[in-house]
Amino acid sequence: GAGVSQSPSNKVTEKGKDVELRCDPISGHTALYWYRQSLGQGLEFLIYFQGNSAPDKSGLPSDRFSAERTGGSVSTLTIQRTQQEDSAVYLCASSRDAYYEQYFGPGTRLTVT
Amino acid sequence: KQEVTQIPAALSVPEGENLVLNCSFTDSAIYNLQWFRQDPGKGLTSLLLIQSSQREQTSGRLNASLDKSSGRSTLYIAASQPGDSATYLCAAKGSQGNLIFGKGTKLSVKP
Repeated sequence: GAGVSQSPSNKVTEKGKDVELRCDPISGHTALYWYRQSLGQGLEFLIYFQGNSAPDKSGLPSDRFSAERTGGSVSTLTIQRTQQEDSAVYLCASSRDAYYEQYFGPGTRLTVT
Repeated sequence: KQEVTQIPAALSVPEGENLVLNCSFTDSAIYNLQWFRQDPGKGLTSLLLIQSSQREQTSGRLNASLDKSSGRSTLYIAASQPGDSATYLCAAKGSQGNLIFGKGTKLSVKP
């Protein structure tokens, strides 16, 4: 079956612009996660959705970051007024429920110039 | 706060060798532990998931063990092949469901 998909695969933006990253989870998966992987850094948790609600937003690095999920399916991660330190690969994962195996998408590589 | 550490950071072995990758975690109250593989420029591929009640899981040439009391997991790769070259990540699942990742072990298998 189809895996987790993310778009765009690559995004180059100018400092100060807003960007939206999209994640399509595996059909039927109720839990959805966003992570960030910066050059030389490990994978950093950003936010978790169970259905449409986000019980854990603790990983969002600043108030410039926000995310939403609609219809219990597609999620968008929005970064406002991008900064160079936002450059990273943003990974999305989904799982059948919060405590099942997570499956990752291919990621969106964001470059802020 | 959960912290996950992987040792070594990098490992180079000749083809055919058996090897062990180590993962340690500070909080034993985990729900499960997952091992992933990441190829350069690619996303993560799940290799094995060990539930907190389990001691080990096997898939082909891979065997992962979990010792919650000591806060350790190992990934054993038998008869390594050049195609096994990748970065291996372990991740512990905490109470909120999110994964806490180690920084990975970069494995290179030389033909």
